[in-house]
Amino acid sequence: VQLVESGGGLVQPGGSLRLSCAASGFTFSTSWMDWVRQAPGKGLVWVSRINSDGSSTNYADSVKGRFTISRDNAKNTLYLQMSSLRAEDTAFYYCTRGYAIASWGQGTLVTVSS
Amino acid sequence: DIQMTQSPSSLSASVGDRVTITCRASQGISNSLAWFQQKPGKAPKSLIYAASTLQSGVPSKFSGSGSGTDFTLTISSLQPEDFATYYCQQYNSYPYTFGQGTKLEIK
Repeated sequence: VQLVESGGGLVQPGGSLRLSCAASGFTFSTSWMDWVRQAPGKGLVWVSRINSDGSSTNYADSVKGRFTISRDNAKNTLYLQMSSLRAEDTAFYYCTRGYAIASWGQGTLVTVSS
Repeated sequence: DIQMTQSPSSLSASVGDRVTITCRASQGISNSLAWFQQKPGKAPKSLIYAASTLQSGVPSKFSGSGSGTDFTLTISSLQPEDFATYYCQQYNSYPYTFGQGTKLEIK
């Protein structure tokens, strides 16, 4: 199982960013997937979930209306489109696999700062 | 939202010790509880799901128990590689929530 996040970086407040997670080593199209974030030195926070075929999504209140989770099962890739970014969105973003989380990516750092 | 409270927040123990970490949910979550281990600068690792089922490849020194609102993670015969921060998470209802973490340090 391998989950490789990309797309993180420095963005100004109010800006947008799209994270990707390339999956391999398991049947992506049947797996529920989440995004979990962790501000530097802080605890884990669940962000969003998508079911296996992409027909159902859920979000933390703190990102609802600003973030969109999606997936492309043909490309074995999970996405997180982030907009209206705030300083408090600064964190490592992890892609995870499983209805009960079984696997984690290495994370990608998003820094929101002017 | 369901609040997850771990105790203690930090714990000092010696190599060879057996330790128990507690996680309490603010309302019943059946057995929809997972445990994770995180070492500094690394991604978390999944240890247990459904309150007591070990993830593949996780050694049997780790064990979990509980149902409803009260859960425990027990680690037996502590080794240097076990010193890390441990988190619980409920996945019974949205938004899923994590405990604040328990930092296990070497005495």
